[in-house]
Amino acid sequence: LAKTTQPISMDSYEGQEVNITCSHNNIATNDYITWYQQFPSQGPRFIIQGYKTKVTNEVASLFIPADRKSSTLSLPRVSLSDTAVYYCLVGFAGKSTFGDGTTLTVKP
Amino acid sequence: KAGVTQTPRYLIKTRGQQVTLSCSPISGHRSVSWYQQTPGQGLQFLFEYFSETQRNKGNFPGRFSGRQFSNSRSEMNVSTLELGDSALYLCASSSSNGGSDTQYFGPGTRLTVL
Repeated sequence: LAKTTQPISMDSYEGQEVNITCSHNNIATNDYITWYQQFPSQGPRFIIQGYKTKVTNEVASLFIPADRKSSTLSLPRVSLSDTAVYYCLVGFAGKSTFGDGTTLTVKP
Repeated sequence: KAGVTQTPRYLIKTRGQQVTLSCSPISGHRSVSWYQQTPGQGLQFLFEYFSETQRNKGNFPGRFSGRQFSNSRSEMNVSTLELGDSALYLCASSSSNGGSDTQYFGPGTRLTVL
């Protein structure tokens, strides 16, 4: 199973761009990289998923280098409501492990 | 499409009792996974069911069990509850059609064991 490593916490201010990097050195060839957002006492919410290069949707971008041993979630212009825990997940259901997540705190 | 639903949302039990939690996946999804989330241990994988068969299993004692029905709905059961079983139990479903196999999570069931 691919193990993931993320910073434990990050601080930012409203309106700034936030980049959270996840390391996954033993990612398998078939593994996708998925990022989730979780608020207290709620289930993780899907943000974005990618396999290689760059993926963008209406809320975030995901950058994956050619070796795929890391990935970076980019949140443009964060707001106070983006304060949450962010998890990267590598692999499939039952063949993946959640890391400890990154607690993002957005300040006014 | 409706999302993943879990019932009940909150549950209070006493030590030694048993509990059954229910999960209804997104329509068309055939894989259902269960996770336990506690402040100290984070998100831990319990098991995954696909087409009524347990396909993967995490490192939990036999007191934790589950099953999946023909309509893909799933239940998990915890017998002989211990204080340490207090947690948020999350269910996630995926289509398991190969490829990205994205998991979508329900709101969770908060179990408190007294």
